[in-house]
Amino acid sequence: AQSVTQLGSHVSVSEGALVLLRCNYSSSVPPYLFWYVQYPNQGLQLLLKYTSAATLVKGINGFEAEFKKSETSFHLTKPSAHMSDAAEYFCAVSDLSSGDKLTFGTGTRLAVRP
Amino acid sequence: KAGVTQTPRYLIKTRGQQVTLSCSPISGHRSVSWYQQTPGQGLQFLFEYFSETQRNKGNFPGRFSGRQFSNSRSEMNVSTLELGDSALYLCASSRRGGGAQETQYFGPGTRLLVL
Repeated sequence: AQSVTQLGSHVSVSEGALVLLRCNYSSSVPPYLFWYVQYPNQGLQLLLKYTSAATLVKGINGFEAEFKKSETSFHLTKPSAHMSDAAEYFCAVSDLSSGDKLTFGTGTRLAVRP
Repeated sequence: KAGVTQTPRYLIKTRGQQVTLSCSPISGHRSVSWYQQTPGQGLQFLFEYFSETQRNKGNFPGRFSGRQFSNSRSEMNVSTLELGDSALYLCASSRRGGGAQETQYFGPGTRLLVL
């Protein structure tokens, strides 16, 4: 069975600082990995996804993530935080055995200080 | 192209009642999945439908059921509501479904409060 662990339920950064949100996965087969963002009272929006084409994945709004098989990690980064990045971020995993089923991490709430 | 729409957006029910939530996928998408989001349990998979057939099911009691119509619209039903069913219910659609790498597009959710 696959699983995802997000380290840090709350992360606070200053505007302009590096954003680093951590995600480690567990999967018995090659995984597909996703990062979603959720703004208050809204659904989930896909930021980026890893589907084995390239280990460094670039997403929307300046975010990117690197798949590291040796570390079973898929951390999300952004070089410079904006106030508008304040939201909750979810890492998710799926694999061929689970079809469309996404298994989500517990989420990381990002706060951006002015 | 319109996104995933869910109705109603907010709902208040009392214990013991039943509720039906509706989801219209993106045009051309044939797979619809449902998720429950609560502060305590996070995001949990309920079930997935493709071509009117349930293809995958999460670990929820039989009070939770769903169906999909020929136009790919989906409904989920919760019978005999319990306080713990209070949650944000999210619907997601994808083009073909069954492909783990497919992007799922989420709707805004239906927030259910059970009193």
